[in-house]
Amino acid sequence: QVQLQESGPGLVKPSETLSLTCAVSGYSISSGYHWGWIRQPPGEGLEWIGNIYHSGSTYYNPSLKSRVTISVDTSKNQFSLKLTSVTAADTAIYYCARLRYGDIWWGQGTLVTVPS
Amino acid sequence: QSALTQPRSVSGSPGQSVTISCTGTSSDVGGYNYVSWYQQYPGKAPKLMIYDVSKRPSGVPDRFSGSKSGNTASLTISGLQADDEADYYCCSYAGSYSWVFGGGTKLTVL
Repeated sequence: QVQLQESGPGLVKPSETLSLTCAVSGYSISSGYHWGWIRQPPGEGLEWIGNIYHSGSTYYNPSLKSRVTISVDTSKNQFSLKLTSVTAADTAIYYCARLRYGDIWWGQGTLVTVPS
Repeated sequence: QSALTQPRSVSGSPGQSVTISCTGTSSDVGGYNYVSWYQQYPGKAPKLMIYDVSKRPSGVPDRFSGSKSGNTASLTISGLQADDEADYYCCSYAGSYSWVFGGGTKLTVL
């Protein structure tokens, strides 16, 4: 059974870059599927950020596209998120996930706070 | 890419049935049979309850069912139980390897 685990700083200063990594176990990223990031501001709903295919092709939410980079390291079986120029509005729980057309398998999530 | 529309809240008494709607467009819900539903307790990650519109993962009670008509998908929970009280989110594939979520529905069991 696939497991995903997010890691990274829990506090990022305004205007800096948020960086998170998702370690995948129980499945090889190279075998397929899309791997991505979803966030949830405190008390709010879910927002798809973007995803990457094992080949390296990336797909981003248009509202975040100018600030987001998702990359994959198949040798470490992990993928990463970078979000630049963060503000307090980027405070959220960030989930990494395996995405199939019809369902999503989630990591446990990690809270990232950007102070105002 | 606009969020799918869900009611902010629904409620029902134990044993009753409730239905949560999820309305999108022909570019997402109406265009693909790839709607999924997630249950989320406070402080927890979402849990898959329905995938591919109406399929149940192993371990999910058959009290949970999904359907779709046109641009609107629905999650029905029958025989409501106290531990069904949670937030529920719909999600649809929206083409070009993108996904879109609903705003979430808070289910209260009275």
